[in-house]
Amino acid sequence: SQELEQSPQSLIVQEGKNLTINCTSSKTLYGLYWYKQKYGEGLIFLMMLQKGGEEKSHEKITAKLDEKKQQSSLHITASQPSHAGIYLCGADSGGSNYKLTFGKGTLLTVNP
Amino acid sequence: DTAVSQTPKYLVTQMGNDKSIKCEQNLGHDTMYWYKQDSKKFLKIMFSYNNKELIINETVPNRFSPKSPDKAHLNLHINSLELGDSAVYFCASSVSTEAFFGQGTRLTVV
Repeated sequence: SQELEQSPQSLIVQEGKNLTINCTSSKTLYGLYWYKQKYGEGLIFLMMLQKGGEEKSHEKITAKLDEKKQQSSLHITASQPSHAGIYLCGADSGGSNYKLTFGKGTLLTVNP
Repeated sequence: DTAVSQTPKYLVTQMGNDKSIKCEQNLGHDTMYWYKQDSKKFLKIMFSYNNKELIINETVPNRFSPKSPDKAHLNLHINSLELGDSAVYFCASSVSTEAFFGQGTRLTVV
């Protein structure tokens, strides 16, 4: 079965600093999704990557999928308190049934 | 308008009770899901329905029964609640390659 490892498990940064969260899959990814979860809220879709080497950006958040499609990184530039939350990567391993498998998440704290 | 809405947001109940969590999506998606997020924040899929038909049923106790009266609704009914059922339950819907999640229902069994 698909397994996703996220690192680090938690991260505390000072406002304005850059940071990176990694997600590694045990299998080749059909699709890799990044979500953000704030306390008491649902999962907010950030972006989806499908092609090897693909990179997408949304505001100050950039996500990349490596050429082998087994590793993704999420990079936040000039972090702000509003970036705080849990970041989850989710994988779709393909097949006829669409199903997302998630990593355990990375808890990000941004100190003002 | 909320795309995927779950009710209730919080649910505190005693062991042995039967409870339901409702989920509705107004996105016109064919596929809906239930996920469980445990205390360690690990999200795991429980069920998936496509056009009211069950297509994914992971290893979940029989006490959990999803019901899909129509394409826009997927409710989760739980019988004989146990302490270990305490978690946040997320409903989601999808079309193609994007999935949208509800805000979650925090279930506490006491």
